[in-house]
Amino acid sequence: DAGVTQSPTHLIKTRGQQVTLRCSPKSGHDTVSWYQQALGQGPQFIFQYYEEEERQRGNFPDRFSGHQFPNYSSELNVNALLLGDSALYLCASSSGTADEQFFGPGTRLTVL
Amino acid sequence: KNQVEQSPQSLIILEGKNCTLQCNYTVSPFSNLRWYKQDTGRGPVSLTIMTFSENTKSNGRYTATLDADTKQSSLHITASQLSDSASYICVVSSPGYSSASKIIFGSGTRLSIRP
Repeated sequence: DAGVTQSPTHLIKTRGQQVTLRCSPKSGHDTVSWYQQALGQGPQFIFQYYEEEERQRGNFPDRFSGHQFPNYSSELNVNALLLGDSALYLCASSSGTADEQFFGPGTRLTVL
Repeated sequence: KNQVEQSPQSLIILEGKNCTLQCNYTVSPFSNLRWYKQDTGRGPVSLTIMTFSENTKSNGRYTATLDADTKQSSLHITASQLSDSASYICVVSSPGYSSASKIIFGSGTRLSIRP
């Protein structure tokens, strides 16, 4: 049983570009949450998707958007990249009303 | 404001020694508290979870304690190993999981084990 998977592992972009990160949840999970983790900091909640809708959003600008597909996989899109967007982006999956999240390995984004 | 604060920020100990990491929180209402281990550049992995009525829980060499009255938790690592080198993150949740913003992460303690 595969856990949460994310792609790509690493990504390098330049300022102003756009990026798409992908996440496949753990088998049986229908909820996906995205987090941004700067170096030396705890994860910061970006948003959560459930039934293909954004259910909750953290304090991130509209440049951060997402999508969930019928198979529960999800994408995180970031437009007009800034240097400060450089971080580890974590995807976590859970089952509807269950309390525990399982994290993927993350995507390391570097903006130059 | 709901906050989770961890101390120390970083810690270096010799292999085989014990250590204790601290977590203080102001999250209310309280549902549960988790400790995660995060290896560098990887996603966090859950070590323990405690609800209001639990005051201690063990997972191998890891023992977590919770004092819901003082809103403090600790993670004790016994007989440390080189593989324990990682960040340890304390996460507190409020009831109503449908709102993911009710999960509050601490900044973590960076633990380094020296041979």
